[in-house]
Amino acid sequence: KNEVEQSPQNLTAQEGEFITINCSYSVGISALHWLQQHPGGGIVSLFMLSSGKKKHGRLIATINIQEKHSSLHITASHPRDSAVYICAVDSGYALNFGKGTSLLVTP
Amino acid sequence: GAVVSQHPSRVICKSGTSVKIECRSLDFQATTMFWYRQFPKQSLMLMATSNEGSKATYEQGVEKDKFLINHASLTLSTLTVTSAHPEDSSFYICSARAGVRIYEQYFGPGTRLTVT
Repeated sequence: KNEVEQSPQNLTAQEGEFITINCSYSVGISALHWLQQHPGGGIVSLFMLSSGKKKHGRLIATINIQEKHSSLHITASHPRDSAVYICAVDSGYALNFGKGTSLLVTP
Repeated sequence: GAVVSQHPSRVICKSGTSVKIECRSLDFQATTMFWYRQFPKQSLMLMATSNEGSKATYEQGVEKDKFLINHASLTLSTLTVTSAHPEDSSFYICSARAGVRIYEQYFGPGTRLTVT
């Protein structure tokens, strides 16, 4: 099984701060997903990437296949970014999920 | 982008009854759908994988007779929780994989089940 480690587990930031969430995995993958889950429970897929870097608005996701590591960055954070961010890796069969990073952005 | 819907979003049922949750891919054909369960403050746990037209593959520890999965068409999979018990109360999430873009997987918004 592909072990997925996220850090930090919990993160509190002030509005406007630059935020980084990290994800490491143990074996080769075909793709990596970054998901956002709000307190109500619904999951939103933010990024799916297999190499390089993707950007969507204030969110940036990068992946280093050789180092088996991905980062999710949030620029100019806002209280509405408060959510749990989950990294999931696709080894070709199904997804293995990290435990999530709980982010709280305060005004 | 591709959209996956789930219905209902919330359901409350009494112990002993059965509940059906639907997962639909709205604008693409999903050859494979996945059902996950999430307990409070925990990550998603894969319950089963269903391919259109064939029997679902259940993960170890998941009772196939209790959690009936049907993937009758390329756009619909259903999860039926039979003879529900309070310990079945959880958040159930489906995701769908498009056959063409095989590594892309899209998530439904989830269904919160409460068994009283």
